Amino acid sequence: IAGITQAPTSQILAAGRRMTLRCTQDMRHNAMYWYRQDLGLGLRLIHYSNTAGTTGKGEVPDGYSVSRANTDDFPLTLASAVPSQTSVYFCASSGTAGTGTDTQYFGPGTRLTVL
Amino acid sequence: GQNIDQPTEMTATEGAIVQINCTYQTSGFNGLFWYQQHAGEAPTFLSYNVLDGLEEKGRFSSFLSRSKGYSYLLLKELQMKDSASYLCAVRDADYKLSFGAGTTVTVRA
Repeated sequence: IAGITQAPTSQILAAGRRMTLRCTQDMRHNAMYWYRQDLGLGLRLIHYSNTAGTTGKGEVPDGYSVSRANTDDFPLTLASAVPSQTSVYFCASSGTAGTGTDTQYFGPGTRLTVL
Repeated sequence: GQNIDQPTEMTATEGAIVQINCTYQTSGFNGLFWYQQHAGEAPTFLSYNVLDGLEEKGRFSSFLSRSKGYSYLLLKELQMKDSASYLCAVRDADYKLSFGAGTTVTVRA
């Protein structure tokens, strides 16, 4: 059982380049999330999807886009990377959002450096 | 929005007890979670409270007081492997999580 996988594990990217971070879960969870984690700031929600075909903006969505074509995959795209997007990115998934025990489970993370 | 506060760092001795406090101010409350995160790894779920009171899970317990906007995570019989960051997260009315910055616990021999 893989749970949630993310790719790549780490990446160094030149500013201005486009980058897609991949996230796949095999738990048949309806809801998926993207967070960034920066020192001293904790995890901040970028985008989320309550179910396949729908997406929503989190706390820090600017510069990022997502899509949810199917239940398993939830890619995050940086259209034109900037140094302030240097961070560790975590994907998470949970059961149906809005239920009482939809605990979020996290992938291993992608460490992104934008130069 | 959410405002979540927890101490930055705590140090304790192996075998001891440590209590990590978390206070929050929220526009809507739908439960409080604690996660453990070892350096360089993903957060892993520890506990969930939605009603006032104590939830116990082995060496870890979590307490919630909704009227005071307060929770704590209690770690008993500390082991070296408990050295990690502990994240307090509040779920809002839209079922989204807001995280505190985390408390780094260092366990010394």
